[in-house]
Order: sequence, then structure tokens, then C-alpha cells
Amino acid sequence: DAGITQSPRHKVTETGTPVTLRCHQTENHRYMYWYRQDPGHGLRLIHYSYGVKDTDKGEVSDGYSVSRSKTEDFLLTLESATSSQTSVYFCAISILANEQFFGPGTRLTVL
Amino acid sequence: QKEVEQDPGPLSVPEGAIVSLNCTYSNSAFQYFMWYRQYSRKGPELLMYTYSSGNKEDGRFTAQVDKSSKYISLFIRDSQPSDSATYLCAMNSGGSNYKLTFGKGTLLTVNP
Repeated sequence: DAGITQSPRHKVTETGTPVTLRCHQTENHRYMYWYRQDPGHGLRLIHYSYGVKDTDKGEVSDGYSVSRSKTEDFLLTLESATSSQTSVYFCAISILANEQFFGPGTRLTVL
Repeated sequence: QKEVEQDPGPLSVPEGAIVSLNCTYSNSAFQYFMWYRQYSRKGPELLMYTYSSGNKEDGRFTAQVDKSSKYISLFIRDSQPSDSATYLCAMNSGGSNYKLTFGKGTLLTVNP
């Protein structure tokens, strides 16, 4: 899994609660990404980072925020979880912007 | 028109068959093309990575890119039950563009 871990791997939470997902890499890659994967929509980019403290929005960023205080960690926060955010979340890393390697995923259920 | 189109399948073949998976795209700026394999309940795994037009071979897998037709293919020779997975194409224009555009994936089953 290209030296990428995600935690937690599974989470069930209630609507309105904040949730933070963690991506940790041991590869020292510059770029990190958060995606969500849903049936019928495929993989969609939520946010990405091109360096420590350097982040930007992807195509489905509403309701999500990110932080990257260290090269190895990229955090995704759902500020107030909604049922529409029930999904599988993948972190990815890359040296260059295009060749991305994915983590094992986090299955999130919002009740 | 969607940027990347991929037939979702499902595609079911007997063991040993040659499999052809395809994607079409509309953005002529795309230069980098990838194929990912995703087993059930796992993360996507980068399988093939090509730049511009041409062929690339790796074992039983061959990736083809035809930029003039905006068409990419992945061929699997001597398919095995272990090849059963969802295959995702992805592409981007490179440079400072960080966004990969994915197809929605084709579900392949190889029957023993």
C-alpha cells in the first residue's frame, strides 16, 4: 500500500457530529489527496495538498476541511457530518502530480 | 459529454481469455494515462502508467493510448481468476494540474 495508512478504517457516527480521518505516509511524498468513492460517481477529489500547510479544494469540498502540519500527515475533517457523507474515503500520495498511490480506505457511515 | 467514459460492465470471461478494457475521453490536453485495479473493499492499485500515445507492456498487461482517437485500452492476456476486480482508467494533463480524472470503472470477473 505504498507506505500509506488510514485511520480509522471503519467508523459509524451520527448526523451533526464532527469527524476527523487521518492519512499517514512514510514515503515523504510532497502531494497528498483525499477522495471519496460512491456507486455511480466513481472517485471524486475532495481536497489536496502540495506541501506542508499548502492545500486546495477539489471538486466536492463543501462540508470538508483539511490540514497538513507535517509532511507525513493529512487530516480530513467533516465539520458536521451528514448522511450524504456516508462513503468510502481514500487518501492518495504522489511524488509528481499524476502518478498517485492510494491507501486502503476508510468506510464511514453517518446515521 | 463526460470527460472520461468507461463501460461499467460487468464483463465476465473464462479463464485464459484475452480481456480488452477501454476508455474514451474528450479533453485533448490529457497526456498522462493510468490504469488502476481495485479489488473489492480495497484501495485502487496503480497497474499501468503511460505518457502520450503508444503501447506499454508489463507481463500479461498491455496499455495502449491513441490520442488521435482519444481512446485508451488495457489488454489482459491469459486472464486469471485473480484478475477479477474493477479496473479504473485515469488521466490528466500534467504540469501543475493535480487533478486526476477517473472513469467510473469496469467490473471484470474471470471464471475458472
